[in-house]
Amino acid sequence: DTAVSQTPKYLVTQMGNDKSIKCEQNLGHDTMYWYKQDSKKFLKIMFSYNNKELIINETVPNRFSPKSPDKAHLNLHINSLELGDSAVYFCASSHEGDTIYFGEGSWLTVV
Amino acid sequence: GNSVTQMEGPVTLSEEAFLTINCTYTATGYPSLFWYVQYPGEGLQLLLKATKADDKGSNKGFEATYRKETTSFHLEKGSVQVSDSAVYFCALSPAYLYSTLTFGKGTMLLVSP
Repeated sequence: DTAVSQTPKYLVTQMGNDKSIKCEQNLGHDTMYWYKQDSKKFLKIMFSYNNKELIINETVPNRFSPKSPDKAHLNLHINSLELGDSAVYFCASSHEGDTIYFGEGSWLTVV
Repeated sequence: GNSVTQMEGPVTLSEEAFLTINCTYTATGYPSLFWYVQYPGEGLQLLLKATKADDKGSNKGFEATYRKETTSFHLEKGSVQVSDSAVYFCALSPAYLYSTLTFGKGTMLLVSP
Protein backbone atom coordinates (compact mmCIF):
# COMPACT_ATOMS: atom_id res chain seq x y z
CA ASP A 1 0.00 0.00 0.00
CA THR A 2 3.02 2.28 -0.35
CA ALA A 3 1.90 5.66 -1.67
CA VAL A 4 5.10 6.65 -3.48
CA SER A 5 7.34 3.71 -4.29
CA GLN A 6 10.70 3.76 -5.96
CA THR A 7 13.05 1.02 -7.09
CA PRO A 8 15.73 0.06 -6.54
CA LYS A 9 16.32 1.19 -2.97
CA TYR A 10 20.06 0.57 -3.23
CA LEU A 11 22.18 0.70 -6.35
CA VAL A 12 25.95 0.31 -6.60
CA THR A 13 27.42 0.74 -10.05
CA GLN A 14 30.63 1.63 -11.83
CA MET A 15 31.55 4.95 -13.38
CA GLY A 16 30.45 5.26 -16.96
CA ASN A 17 27.44 2.98 -16.62
CA ASP A 18 23.86 3.95 -17.40
CA LYS A 19 21.19 3.29 -14.79
CA SER A 20 17.52 3.98 -14.17
CA ILE A 21 15.44 4.55 -11.06
CA LYS A 22 11.73 3.94 -11.30
CA CYS A 23 8.97 5.69 -9.38
CA GLU A 24 5.26 5.07 -9.09
CA GLN A 25 2.58 6.78 -7.04
CA ASN A 26 -0.88 5.39 -6.31
CA LEU A 27 -2.29 8.55 -4.77
CA GLY A 28 -3.92 9.89 -7.90
CA HIS A 29 -1.66 12.94 -7.78
CA ASP A 30 -1.09 15.09 -10.84
CA THR A 31 2.47 16.23 -10.15
CA MET A 32 5.64 14.21 -9.60
CA TYR A 33 9.18 15.25 -8.67
CA TRP A 34 12.74 14.09 -8.38
CA TYR A 35 14.86 15.50 -5.57
CA LYS A 36 18.53 14.84 -4.89
CA GLN A 37 20.01 14.59 -1.40
CA ASP A 38 23.77 15.00 -1.28
CA SER A 39 26.25 13.62 1.22
CA LYS A 40 25.61 16.56 3.55
CA LYS A 41 21.89 15.78 3.55
CA PHE A 42 21.04 18.84 1.48
CA LEU A 43 17.89 18.37 -0.61
CA LYS A 44 17.37 20.03 -3.95
CA ILE A 45 14.71 19.78 -6.65
CA MET A 46 15.83 18.31 -9.95
CA PHE A 47 12.68 17.91 -12.03
CA SER A 48 8.94 18.27 -11.79
CA TYR A 49 6.24 16.88 -14.06
CA ASN A 50 2.57 17.77 -14.11
CA ASN A 51 0.29 15.38 -15.99
CA LYS A 52 3.29 13.99 -17.89
CA GLU A 53 4.54 17.43 -18.90
CA LEU A 54 7.91 18.75 -17.71
CA ILE A 55 7.35 21.96 -15.75
CA ILE A 56 10.52 22.35 -13.72
CA ASN A 57 14.01 21.48 -14.86
CA GLU A 58 16.66 22.82 -12.54
CA THR A 59 20.30 23.09 -13.51
CA VAL A 60 20.95 19.39 -13.87
CA PRO A 61 23.48 17.81 -16.27
CA ASN A 62 21.79 16.53 -19.40
CA ARG A 63 23.07 13.06 -18.48
CA PHE A 64 19.96 13.00 -16.28
CA SER A 65 16.78 12.41 -18.23
CA PRO A 66 13.39 12.02 -16.59
CA LYS A 67 10.62 10.18 -18.35
CA SER A 68 6.96 10.16 -17.45
CA PRO A 69 4.99 7.51 -19.37
CA ASP A 70 1.82 8.44 -17.48
CA LYS A 71 0.98 10.68 -14.57
CA ALA A 72 1.46 7.87 -12.05
CA HIS A 73 5.04 7.16 -13.09
CA LEU A 74 8.19 9.24 -13.27
CA ASN A 75 11.45 7.44 -14.00
CA LEU A 76 14.95 8.86 -13.84
CA HIS A 77 17.60 7.69 -16.28
CA ILE A 78 21.23 8.60 -15.75
CA ASN A 79 23.85 8.19 -18.47
CA SER A 80 27.60 7.94 -18.04
CA LEU A 81 27.51 7.89 -14.26
CA GLU A 82 30.15 9.88 -12.40
CA LEU A 83 31.43 9.63 -8.84
CA GLY A 84 29.68 12.90 -8.01
CA ASP A 85 26.31 11.38 -8.87
CA SER A 86 26.47 9.33 -5.69
CA ALA A 87 23.52 10.53 -3.63
CA VAL A 88 20.06 9.64 -2.44
CA TYR A 89 17.39 10.31 -5.04
CA PHE A 90 13.87 10.92 -3.81
CA CYS A 91 10.75 10.69 -5.88
CA ALA A 92 7.74 12.66 -4.65
CA SER A 93 4.23 13.59 -5.68
CA SER A 94 1.52 16.12 -4.94
CA HIS A 95 -1.89 17.12 -6.16
CA GLU A 96 -2.93 20.59 -7.31
CA GLY A 97 -0.14 22.30 -5.42
CA ASP A 98 -0.91 20.65 -2.10
CA THR A 99 1.47 18.82 0.24
CA ILE A 100 4.36 16.93 -1.36
CA TYR A 101 4.79 13.30 -0.30
CA PHE A 102 8.08 11.47 -0.70
CA GLY A 103 9.13 7.96 -1.50
CA GLU A 104 11.66 6.10 0.59
CA GLY A 105 14.63 7.11 -1.52
CA SER A 106 17.10 5.35 -3.77
CA TRP A 107 20.68 5.22 -2.50
CA LEU A 108 23.00 5.43 -5.51
CA THR A 109 26.71 4.71 -5.08
CA VAL A 110 29.04 5.14 -8.02
CA VAL A 111 32.43 3.43 -7.67
CA GLY B 1 14.62 34.00 -4.06
CA ASN B 2 13.20 31.68 -1.45
CA SER B 3 15.39 30.30 1.29
CA VAL B 4 15.15 28.45 4.59
CA THR B 5 17.66 28.68 7.41
CA GLN B 6 17.80 26.13 10.18
CA MET B 7 19.96 25.92 13.24
CA GLU B 8 22.98 23.73 12.71
CA GLY B 9 23.22 20.43 14.46
CA PRO B 10 23.69 18.06 15.88
CA VAL B 11 21.36 18.84 18.71
CA THR B 12 22.09 16.46 21.55
CA LEU B 13 19.51 15.99 24.29
CA SER B 14 18.69 13.60 27.05
CA GLU B 15 15.39 11.75 27.00
CA GLU B 16 12.44 13.84 28.27
CA ALA B 17 14.23 17.13 27.57
CA PHE B 18 12.51 20.01 25.79
CA LEU B 19 13.33 20.44 22.11
CA THR B 20 13.46 23.54 19.98
CA ILE B 21 14.82 23.58 16.44
CA ASN B 22 14.84 27.06 14.97
CA CYS B 23 13.75 27.74 11.42
CA THR B 24 13.45 31.06 9.61
CA TYR B 25 12.54 31.69 6.03
CA THR B 26 12.69 34.24 3.24
CA ALA B 27 9.92 34.23 0.67
CA THR B 28 7.59 36.51 -1.18
CA GLY B 29 3.92 36.28 -0.47
CA TYR B 30 2.48 33.69 1.86
CA PRO B 31 4.21 30.34 1.52
CA SER B 32 3.16 27.13 3.19
CA LEU B 33 5.63 25.85 5.76
CA PHE B 34 6.57 22.27 6.57
CA TRP B 35 8.67 20.10 8.81
CA TYR B 36 9.83 16.80 7.37
CA VAL B 37 11.70 14.11 9.32
CA GLN B 38 14.22 11.56 8.07
CA TYR B 39 14.96 8.63 10.38
CA PRO B 40 18.30 6.87 9.88
CA GLY B 41 18.38 4.99 6.59
CA GLU B 42 14.83 5.97 5.71
CA GLY B 43 13.01 8.39 3.45
CA LEU B 44 11.40 11.74 4.15
CA GLN B 45 8.19 11.81 6.10
CA LEU B 46 5.92 14.79 6.52
CA LEU B 47 5.84 15.67 10.21
CA LEU B 48 3.59 18.73 10.22
CA LYS B 49 2.61 21.75 8.19
CA ALA B 50 0.99 25.17 8.37
CA THR B 51 -0.46 27.06 5.47
CA LYS B 52 -1.15 30.54 6.82
CA ALA B 53 0.05 32.97 9.45
CA ASP B 54 -0.63 31.99 13.09
CA ASP B 55 -1.54 28.42 12.10
CA LYS B 56 -0.09 25.78 14.38
CA GLY B 57 0.87 22.45 12.91
CA SER B 58 1.14 19.49 15.27
CA ASN B 59 1.83 15.78 15.11
CA LYS B 60 3.31 13.12 17.42
CA GLY B 61 3.84 15.69 20.17
CA PHE B 62 5.71 18.09 17.87
CA GLU B 63 4.39 21.59 17.24
CA ALA B 64 5.33 24.57 15.11
CA THR B 65 3.58 27.92 14.69
CA TYR B 66 3.70 29.98 11.50
CA ARG B 67 4.95 33.42 12.58
CA LYS B 68 4.83 35.83 9.70
CA GLU B 69 6.06 38.79 11.72
CA THR B 70 9.31 36.99 12.53
CA THR B 71 9.29 34.77 9.39
CA SER B 72 9.79 31.75 11.61
CA PHE B 73 8.47 28.21 12.02
CA HIS B 74 10.32 26.79 15.01
CA LEU B 75 9.80 23.12 15.86
CA GLU B 76 9.14 22.22 19.49
CA LYS B 77 8.48 19.12 21.54
CA GLY B 78 7.95 19.07 25.25
CA SER B 79 9.60 15.73 26.01
CA VAL B 80 11.78 13.99 23.45
CA GLN B 81 12.31 10.24 23.22
CA VAL B 82 15.22 8.21 21.92
CA SER B 83 13.04 7.26 18.96
CA ASP B 84 12.89 10.93 17.93
CA SER B 85 16.54 10.80 16.90
CA ALA B 86 16.51 11.79 13.24
CA VAL B 87 17.26 14.63 10.85
CA TYR B 88 14.59 17.33 10.76
CA PHE B 89 14.08 19.51 7.70
CA CYS B 90 12.21 22.78 7.58
CA ALA B 91 10.81 23.62 4.15
CA LEU B 92 8.63 26.13 2.38
CA SER B 93 6.44 26.00 -0.67
CA PRO B 94 5.44 29.23 -2.38
CA ALA B 95 1.76 29.91 -2.78
CA TYR B 96 1.39 29.16 -6.45
CA LEU B 97 0.60 26.09 -8.49
CA TYR B 98 3.48 23.84 -9.53
CA SER B 99 5.66 25.21 -6.78
CA THR B 100 8.27 22.97 -5.22
CA LEU B 101 9.79 22.71 -1.80
CA THR B 102 12.79 24.72 -0.73
CA PHE B 103 14.52 22.95 2.13
CA GLY B 104 16.76 24.04 4.94
CA LYS B 105 19.98 22.11 5.44
CA GLY B 106 18.49 19.84 8.07
CA THR B 107 19.18 19.53 11.78
CA MET B 108 20.26 16.24 13.27
CA LEU B 109 18.72 15.42 16.64
CA LEU B 110 20.38 12.86 18.88
CA VAL B 111 18.50 11.77 21.99
CA SER B 112 20.26 9.68 24.60
CA PRO B 113 18.57 7.55 27.29
